[in-house]
Amino acid sequence: QQPVQSPQAVILREGEDAVINCSSSKALYSVHWYRQKHGEAPVFLMILLKGGEQKGHEKISASFNEKKQQSSLYLTASQLSYSGTYFCGTRTGTASKLTFGTGTRLQVTL
Amino acid sequence: EAQVTQNPRYLITVTGKKLTVTCSQNMNHEYMSWYRQDPGLGLRQIYYSMNVEVTDKGDVPEGYKVSRKEKRNFPLILESPSPNQTSLYFCASSPWQGSEKLFFGSGTQLSVL
Repeated sequence: QQPVQSPQAVILREGEDAVINCSSSKALYSVHWYRQKHGEAPVFLMILLKGGEQKGHEKISASFNEKKQQSSLYLTASQLSYSGTYFCGTRTGTASKLTFGTGTRLQVTL
Repeated sequence: EAQVTQNPRYLITVTGKKLTVTCSQNMNHEYMSWYRQDPGLGLRQIYYSMNVEVTDKGDVPEGYKVSRKEKRNFPLILESPSPNQTSLYFCASSPWQGSEKLFFGSGTQLSVL
């Protein structure tokens, strides 16, 4: 079953903050975040691992609540370049397949 | 340049006419996978391959076939396309299935009339 993302869509003015949530019904080993700009391929942003390790983007932060099987992506002081669709992907084990969420469309305006 | 190459970028076809979407990667990755992207449903896995000659079904395999005869190539075959297969398709690869990062191709927008 796919992880569920919320909100489905959000519109921000440049400089505002946003939080995108990813929730799974399964116990998770890792959560991966990708951004897809319009007409382009998804691009890896960051990974959060069980136990607290994080790797990825310098300007974007995220959290991983292992007990609740939830992750949140924090976009602070948003820029126009942050516009796109954000996907979370989840793994239940070290070598299990990556299952992507339903996506969140983010639009940043002037 | 390290990349995943998909062709064609856009394809319009008619119901029942067999088609193949090609995918090639030049990073010597073991793992390759196909996804379809539909509004509100996100990215759903169609098929994946952990190595040459090893393929397995993903979450939505009905109506699709794949083959992995060489490490670099992983074509997606629609033997008899139907309108419900109209979608945006992505090929992706990574060093192995558990890798941190997937590398995606640029996508194929398929319309089946």
